[in-house]
Amino acid sequence: QSVLTQSLSASGTAGQRVTISCSGSNSNIGTNYVNWYQQLPGTAPKLLIYNNNQRPSGVPDRISGSKAGTSASLAISGLRSEDEADYYCAAWDDSLSGVVFGGGTKLTVL
Amino acid sequence: QVQLVESGGGLVKPGRSLTLSCAASGFTFSDYYMSWIRQAPGKGLEWISYISISGSTIYYADSVKGRFTISRDNAKNSLYLQMNSLRPEDTAVYYCVRDQELIGAYFDYWGQGTLVTVSS
Repeated sequence: QSVLTQSLSASGTAGQRVTISCSGSNSNIGTNYVNWYQQLPGTAPKLLIYNNNQRPSGVPDRISGSKAGTSASLAISGLRSEDEADYYCAAWDDSLSGVVFGGGTKLTVL
Repeated sequence: QVQLVESGGGLVKPGRSLTLSCAASGFTFSDYYMSWIRQAPGKGLEWISYISISGSTIYYADSVKGRFTISRDNAKNSLYLQMNSLRPEDTAVYYCVRDQELIGAYFDYWGQGTLVTVSS
């Protein structure tokens, strides 16, 4: 059971917009930044969004992040086949004095 | 370019010890916090330990506290994870990651991972 809650799966057709949600509590998302990671099959995770809504260099602007209260969302527009991957949210948890991850959402491009 | 290369993984019996190493290059290692994150086969990501730049501040996940020890050698650009009293549930790919924040989950570079299998 992960501290941050994500839906197990999400899907969309090419060109569509999909949103992946991440729910936490006051001790993690409510007071700290949320970061998102993409893991393509058989590879190490890659930073996708940091500090709630910032994109690292090289991440396209069709990918965005947002946070409201104790929840966060990752949005991918103009869906492409190469977006098919597992997506994880993460945040520092003040109560645990450690990093907590969501269980991951598997995105399928139909 | 930034590179993080883990080594030291392998097959080990329950109760035994293993030490993982991570060789960093392409950046000033002594300017960055570092962490270890693991992923059990077919499962999600689990953060297990963090170390500050000087090594004076260390955090562990409850699942490894008292059994694992993180350390670093800035002169050798290396990060380590000493793992004692290993259990089957410690079986996972272990990633060395560069951490941008003292308190946070901002991991901007990841190694390719090293597999640790704990089995009799």
